[in-house]
Amino acid sequence: AQSVSQHNHHVILSEAASLELGCNYSYGGTVNLFWYVQYPGQHLQLLLKYFSGDPLVKGIKGFEAEFIKSKFSFNLRKPSVQWSDTAEYFCAVTRSGTYKYIFGTGTRLKVLA
Amino acid sequence: NAGVTQTPKFQVLKTGQSMTLQCAQDMNHEYMSWYRQDPGMGLRLIHYSVGAGITDQGEVPNGYNVSRSTTEDFPLRLLSAAPSQTSVYFCASRPNPDSHNEQFFGPGTRLTVL
Repeated sequence: AQSVSQHNHHVILSEAASLELGCNYSYGGTVNLFWYVQYPGQHLQLLLKYFSGDPLVKGIKGFEAEFIKSKFSFNLRKPSVQWSDTAEYFCAVTRSGTYKYIFGTGTRLKVLA
Repeated sequence: NAGVTQTPKFQVLKTGQSMTLQCAQDMNHEYMSWYRQDPGMGLRLIHYSVGAGITDQGEVPNGYNVSRSTTEDFPLRLLSAAPSQTSVYFCASRPNPDSHNEQFFGPGTRLTVL
């Protein structure tokens, strides 16, 4: 079945540590890729997205992600996390020409002060 | 702009009761959708609409109905609530159905079915 996989379900880091969250998808063809963040008690908001061009995408709050087509991956990175990055992070994929977003199961990140 | 709004924020129902979750957006977006969020399962699409008068099923439509009589509103109806529908429900919208568009989410409704 076509799917989006986030293998890290829970991640705990200390402040200033580097972050990498994995996202893999199983769709062929042209895809659009997104990372959303949900801070505690808040709704989802967009961190960054890729749909064409430079495969290294920069988003808000110092986050970036790299689309590697050969690996069907779109991993999220941040060089130095802060306590305020504590949140749940969702990867999502759409296939060009379709309506539906398919979300991964999410990764809960806890950053220790 | 208020963006995407949802009411109520919290709701407790008894099995078999019916209710409507309200969703509205003031951004003139064509596309609207409903998701449920369950621990370890991410967000799953319940129903979506690509414009007024047009709705379609998502991944988990059973037990839910929707309608889209106006561009702004997209209510979700639970006809006969079941404990399996205990979840957090999010409404989302985007300018048009194009797959590269960002979705804007409402604050969510936390529903408990006893």
